[in-house]
Amino acid sequence: DARVTQTPRHKVTEMGQEVTMRCQPILGHNTVFWYRQTMMQGLELLAYFRNRAPLDDSGMPKDRFSAEMPDATLATLKIQPSEPRDSAVYFCASGLGLSGASYEQYFGPGTRLTVT
Amino acid sequence: GESVGLHLPTLSVQEGDNSIINCAYSNSASDYFIWYKQESGKGPQFIIDIRSNMDKRQGQRVTVLLNKTVKHLSLQIAATQPGDSAVYFCAEMRSVYYGQNFVFGPGTRLSVLP
Repeated sequence: DARVTQTPRHKVTEMGQEVTMRCQPILGHNTVFWYRQTMMQGLELLAYFRNRAPLDDSGMPKDRFSAEMPDATLATLKIQPSEPRDSAVYFCASGLGLSGASYEQYFGPGTRLTVT
Repeated sequence: GESVGLHLPTLSVQEGDNSIINCAYSNSASDYFIWYKQESGKGPQFIIDIRSNMDKRQGQRVTVLLNKTVKHLSLQIAATQPGDSAVYFCAEMRSVYYGQNFVFGPGTRLSVLP
């Protein structure tokens, strides 16, 4: 049963600290997405990769957030320095891009980040 | 800016009844729409999708209707079951020069009453 995995599942850190979230997309998927979910803003797209190349990171605060795919099996989202307003659940999703007529994305379980 | 969605309401339905969840979108250039289901503590799960050249698509117990004239999308769930209790999100996709752009609505909470 292939699924997207994310680590850590929970992270509590102090303001100013660096946070790194990791995602392992489903093997064979060529698109990877990072989303942030909060009660106020809902689900927001932060970054989008295809074949490991970043296509869109316009939703990400560039001064403190960075997203990379060092290889096809790992995507990372880093926040440095973290701020309390970054507290949210961060989801990674992967997909096959245009597969037939579907752009279905498979979501991971999320990383719940709390910045104090 | 342009966005998909509605204020997050709660829809309560009796088990066995049909549910209808609505979504409004604002960008007429959107050409693909998706419904997701999110259970507590989990990531969103794909339910059904529809392209803008269609006005109806059916899945297992679910039907999505698209009205491009009024920019409205709905998800119908037949014979609602307790396991359908979740937050449901609509999302629109717009083709852009680099690929695709996805925008999610704020969601609707569905509560199934026994």
